[in-house]
Amino acid sequence: AQSVAQPEDQVNVAEGNPLTVKCTYSVSGNPYLFWYVQYPNRGLQFLLKYITGDNLVKGSYGFEAEFNKSQTSFHLKKPSALVSDSALYFCAVRRALSYGGSQGNLIFGKGTKLSVKP
Amino acid sequence: GAGVSQSPRYKVTKRGQDVALRCDPISGHVSLYWYRQALGQGPEFLTYFNYEAQQDKSGLPNDRFSAERPEGSISTLTIQRTEQRDSAMYRCASSLASSSPGEQFFGPGTRLTVL
Repeated sequence: AQSVAQPEDQVNVAEGNPLTVKCTYSVSGNPYLFWYVQYPNRGLQFLLKYITGDNLVKGSYGFEAEFNKSQTSFHLKKPSALVSDSALYFCAVRRALSYGGSQGNLIFGKGTKLSVKP
Repeated sequence: GAGVSQSPRYKVTKRGQDVALRCDPISGHVSLYWYRQALGQGPEFLTYFNYEAQQDKSGLPNDRFSAERPEGSISTLTIQRTEQRDSAMYRCASSLASSSPGEQFFGPGTRLTVL
């Protein structure tokens, strides 16, 4: 069975400091990995994805994530946090299929609340 | 351009009533997904369509839940004889194709409250 674990319910960071939001996954075969952000009363917004290639992927708003196959992790990072980054962050996985396609639905983690204080 | 839209944004209903939730995907997107998100949890898959064909409904919790996408565009998720445990945020997403590795684009959600 596929699953995603986000071990921290909340991450607190001071503005200007680096931030990391952790994600580990379990999937048979190769994964497609995603990060989404949810602001209050808003829908889920796509941040970045790993499909193949470089293990370090860059996304919106200065965020990046590192795919580590041996540790089955896909941690979200940002070198310098902003107060406006405070939101709920979701990691998600889809199962890649052998011919290059993927199984349709996303499997989400339970989310990590990021709080950035000035 | 226009994103995914959902209506209504908020729905309050009494137990036992039927509700219909609507999703209008991004124009040209082949695949449409329904998820349910409980408070403090991540979205959980319900069902998805490619064009008008329902490809996977394994996430629908029971036979009170059904979905359709008759013309391959707008989709309706229907919950019959609602129960309090059905209260949640219902999210719709669309993508170019389910077989591609691309991201899904989410609508704002419908907050359903069953009294």
